[in-house]
Amino acid sequence: DVKVTQSSRYLVKRTGEKVFLECVQDMDHENMFWYRQDPGLGLRLIYFSYDVKMKEKGDIPEGYSVSREKKERFSLILESASTNQTSMYLCASSPAGDRHFYEQYFGPGTRLTVT
Amino acid sequence: AQKVTQAQTEISVVEKEDVTLDCVYETRDTTYYLFWYKQPPSGELVFLIRRNSFDEQNEISGRYSWNFQKSTSSFNFTITASQVVDSAVYFCALSAHRDDKIIFGKGTRLHILP
Repeated sequence: DVKVTQSSRYLVKRTGEKVFLECVQDMDHENMFWYRQDPGLGLRLIYFSYDVKMKEKGDIPEGYSVSREKKERFSLILESASTNQTSMYLCASSPAGDRHFYEQYFGPGTRLTVT
Repeated sequence: AQKVTQAQTEISVVEKEDVTLDCVYETRDTTYYLFWYKQPPSGELVFLIRRNSFDEQNEISGRYSWNFQKSTSSFNFTITASQVVDSAVYFCALSAHRDDKIIFGKGTRLHILP
């Protein structure tokens, strides 16, 4: 079974702190994604990566950066956390090949609160 | 532009009732895939089904069935004889070849009342 794990289920940080959200998948997937989920807004794509050291902006990249140094790990970084980044963050991965065909496998999410 | 609309924000039904979740999509692509995901209270989205644009056959899996109609750009999901364990947020999604990413609808929160 594909497993996508995220470093924390719940996280509380202060405004201005640098925050790292880690995601690891164990199925050798090429593609990895970071979303945030907010009530009434659904899932919005922040960044995605189709290969090691490669990244592409999603719909809402402002205030975030990412790192993919190893194939299995995709990190989301909030350079200076703000209260409007309080949200549920979901990581996902999918296999190589036709990226439109394959479903994404999701982690359990990290609920981040910025105070 | 690609778009997925799930007009029903929240639905409540009593256990054993049938319920249909609506999904309407927009795309100019002729080749695309549609998905349904389930997000239970634990938070992890779980893949339920994929349908490609060239296959309009309806699908049934146990109590779940999906109705894909290109003429109305809809991909609706029906749960028959609902159970409390079906309570979740359900997302419809579209992946089209002219776009690099999957587009999710805003989700429908389904409450099955005992």
